[in-house]
Amino acid sequence: GENVEQHPSTLSVQEGDSAVIKCTYSDSASNYFPWYKQELGKRPQLIIDIRSNVGEKKDQRIAVTLNKTAKHFSLHITETQPEDSAVYFCAPDTDKLIFGTGTRLQVFP
Amino acid sequence: GAGVSQSPSNKVTEKGKDVELRCDPISGHTALYWYRQSLGQGLEFLIYFQGNSAPDKSGLPSDRFSAERTGGSVSTLTIQRTQQEDSAVYLCASSFTLKNTIYFGEGSWLTVV
Repeated sequence: GENVEQHPSTLSVQEGDSAVIKCTYSDSASNYFPWYKQELGKRPQLIIDIRSNVGEKKDQRIAVTLNKTAKHFSLHITETQPEDSAVYFCAPDTDKLIFGTGTRLQVFP
Repeated sequence: GAGVSQSPSNKVTEKGKDVELRCDPISGHTALYWYRQSLGQGLEFLIYFQGNSAPDKSGLPSDRFSAERTGGSVSTLTIQRTQQEDSAVYLCASSFTLKNTIYFGEGSWLTVV
């Protein structure tokens, strides 16, 4: 079956530093790669996504990079701020739309 | 409505009782998903519906769980003979089709006492 792994499971950074979260998947047919952010007590919401015809996409302080050959994609957050503190999930488009195990990011002022 | 709507938002039930959770997806979305999230945990896939195709029920944890989607729109997740381990937030989501952004509802918080 499909396998989706995220690393690290927790990440603590100082405000202003960068954060990188990696998602590894097994389904070679996947071609849509989103990242969702879930703040405490809230629903998950899409923050950025990429399709397999491009290798990188940026939106202000957030970027996603894709390595389809190696079957992984990463979320990059630069100049982190306390409001970036949340749990981040990847969800490559496997048949079941399985979410990664999540990464808890804490940004300390 | 503009978003995915779920009801009830909170439900406290006694062990052994049946519960029904309702999801009204975004109008025009053909794909509908149910996930379960225990406190501080990840998103556990339960079931998804795509158009008129037979649903993928492979994530349902036991035969006490069932779901249906009527008329390609509203969905109901039913949990029979609830157990304490069923306590969690049940999140419904929809997307225009598969392989597109999914939009979550606020969730139904179930507590089994």
